[in-house]
Amino acid sequence: KAGVTQTPRYLIKTRGQQVTLSCSPISGHRSVSWYQQTPGQGLQFLFEYFSETQRNKGNFPGRFSGRQFSNSRSEMNVSTLELGDSALYLCASSRQATNTGELFFGEGSRLTVL
Amino acid sequence: QQQVKQSPQSLIVQKGGISIINCAYENTAFDYFPWYQQFPGKGPALLIAIRPDVSEKKEGRFTISFNKSAKQFSLHIMDSQPGDSATYFCAALLPGAQKLVFGQGTRLTINP
Repeated sequence: KAGVTQTPRYLIKTRGQQVTLSCSPISGHRSVSWYQQTPGQGLQFLFEYFSETQRNKGNFPGRFSGRQFSNSRSEMNVSTLELGDSALYLCASSRQATNTGELFFGEGSRLTVL
Repeated sequence: QQQVKQSPQSLIVQKGGISIINCAYENTAFDYFPWYQQFPGKGPALLIAIRPDVSEKKEGRFTISFNKSAKQFSLHIMDSQPGDSATYFCAALLPGAQKLVFGQGTRLTINP
C-alpha cells in the first residue's frame, strides 16, 4: 500500500512569489491535514480537510490556503511568500472521519524562501 | 492553554539504557495522546498512543505512562538501541477534529 505522497519534495522560491504543494493521501483515506514544521516553532497545524470541506484551520494568515479534490488529493497554496515561510510542509492522511489522532505523514515538501 | 510542553529538548542515552521523555498539557479537553518518531528526511510516524482513561500502555520496548491528575504523560524506551536515535514528538488531540497539538520535540541519541 503506497504511503502519503507529497510533491515537490524540495523547492526554492523568492519573496513575494506564490507556491502550490500537492499531497496524495493513502488510498481510502478521506481526511487530509497539513502541518508546518520549523526548528523554532516545531510542528504547527495548518488545516484539515474531509470530503472536500475544510473542517479546521490553524492560526496562520490568509496567505495560507488549501483545498481538497473529490479523489481526496489535496493542495495547499502560500501566496506572497515571506522569508519566515521557509519550512518543511507535511501532509498527513487519516482513514477515519473524526477523532482518532492516527495520522500517516508524508515525507514533506521543503520550501526555502530567499 | 492548547500548548503541550515537552522535555528534555535533547537526550543522550547509552545502548541498553532507558530513555525517558516527558510531556505536560493544560487543556483537559484533550482526549488522545500519541507519540510520533521522526528520522531525518522523513515525516513523523505514529509510535504509540494512549487515551486518558488508561494509565499505562506498553508496546514492545515502548511504554506510555499517563497521569491524568497531573496532566502529564511520558514515553519510556527500554533497552534503547542505536536505531532508536531520532526526534520524538508527543502530541495531544482536540476532540471533534483531527487537529494535533505537538510538543517541541526531543532529539534522542543512543550511543553504541
